[in-house]
Amino acid sequence: EDQVTQSPEALRLQEGESSSLNCSYTVSGLRGLFWYRQDPGKGPEFLFTLYSAGEEKEKERLKATLTKKESFLHITAPKPEDSATYLCAVSFSGGYNKLIFGAGTRLAVHP
Amino acid sequence: GAGVSQSPRYKVAKRGQDVALRCDPISGHVSLFWYQQALGQGPEFLTYFQNEAQLDKSGLPSDRFFAERPEGSVSTLKIQRTQQEDSAVYLCASSLPGTSRSEQYFGPGTRLTVT
Repeated sequence: EDQVTQSPEALRLQEGESSSLNCSYTVSGLRGLFWYRQDPGKGPEFLFTLYSAGEEKEKERLKATLTKKESFLHITAPKPEDSATYLCAVSFSGGYNKLIFGAGTRLAVHP
Repeated sequence: GAGVSQSPRYKVAKRGQDVALRCDPISGHVSLFWYQQALGQGPEFLTYFQNEAQLDKSGLPSDRFFAERPEGSVSTLKIQRTQQEDSAVYLCASSLPGTSRSEQYFGPGTRLTVT
């Protein structure tokens, strides 16, 4: 069964304390892995797309990496404004263009 | 703004009522998706349109759910005879002509509460 699992469910960090979020997936024929940020009461906001193992992308304090089984979202020296839920999603061969999402990691960064 | 818009933002319906949720995708985006998001969960796929053609409706939970995009732009998700389990946030997303490698851009969602 095609599945995406994110860990941890929730993470509390002090401002400046770097950490990583994990997204593991089991799909046949990965086409793309997507990271989104979701603030309360809003729709998911696109962050990154990764297509193949070994690929990395960076944006400000965020860096996403991809292996054949999982992806990591590394957060370097986070600030309180990085607090949000981070969602991971995959698209796959035979799935048309739909995304399968994980349940997300709720990140809280405290000053 | 040129983002995806949805209306209404909030909808309260009594059990058994019909509701209609609207999505205006980003101009020029051919692909349109509907997702359902329960509290504390990730979005779950409902249905997919490419232009006016509904290519995948495998995620619609029952025949009470119906979606259309008659002119290949605005889309409406209709839920007939609403039930309490239909309470959720309904998200619309659009993407450029597309492939499964294209990122999807989401609207703010419609929060549906069935009482």
